[in-house]
Amino acid sequence: SQELEQSPQSLIVQEGKNLTINCTSSKTLYGLYWYKQKYGEGLIFLMMLQKGGEEKSHEKITAKLDEKKQQSSLHITASQPSHAGIYLCGADATSNNAGNMLTFGGGTRLMVKP
Amino acid sequence: NAGVTQTPKFQVLKTGQSMTLQCAQDMNHEYMSWYRQDPGMGLRLIHYSVGAGITDQGEVPNGYNVSRSTTEDFPLRLLSAAPSQTSVYFCASRRTVNYGYTFGSGTRLTVV
Repeated sequence: SQELEQSPQSLIVQEGKNLTINCTSSKTLYGLYWYKQKYGEGLIFLMMLQKGGEEKSHEKITAKLDEKKQQSSLHITASQPSHAGIYLCGADATSNNAGNMLTFGGGTRLMVKP
Repeated sequence: NAGVTQTPKFQVLKTGQSMTLQCAQDMNHEYMSWYRQDPGMGLRLIHYSVGAGITDQGEVPNGYNVSRSTTEDFPLRLLSAAPSQTSVYFCASRRTVNYGYTFGSGTRLTVV
């Protein structure tokens, strides 16, 4: 089965600093999803990456997919307290995902100090 | 649109009791899934469905049953609750592959 490893597991940054979260897959990535979860709440979809080298941005969050390395990174520029939460990466298990098996990494817990 | 609605939000069960966690979506999504989230274990897939009448097992299906009689509803049944099933349960739906999942707000279940 596909395994996703996220690093770091937790991160504390000062407000205004940049940060990067990594997601590494044990198998080829066909679709990579980034989610944010606020403590005690559900998951909010951030963005999806499919093609090697693809990069997407939403406000101050940028995600990239490096297909060769089977890795994706999530970069937050000028972090704010509103960015605090748990960031999870998820991946489709197969190329056509006929089995609808979306697996998730263990999450990265982000705290932003004012 | 309400999105994905899960009920109840909180539930306490005694060992051996059965119950059904409800999940409904109003986005006409074909794909629906149930996950459980445990500290240190991340999100693990319990069961999923790719359309009405079609369900399949995920990573941790034992002790749970599902059915999908309509596109909108995907209930999760605990047959005989055990303390190991204490967890936060999330239902999610998406239009098809290559689309992001929309998650419900979760059901926090405690089995004593």
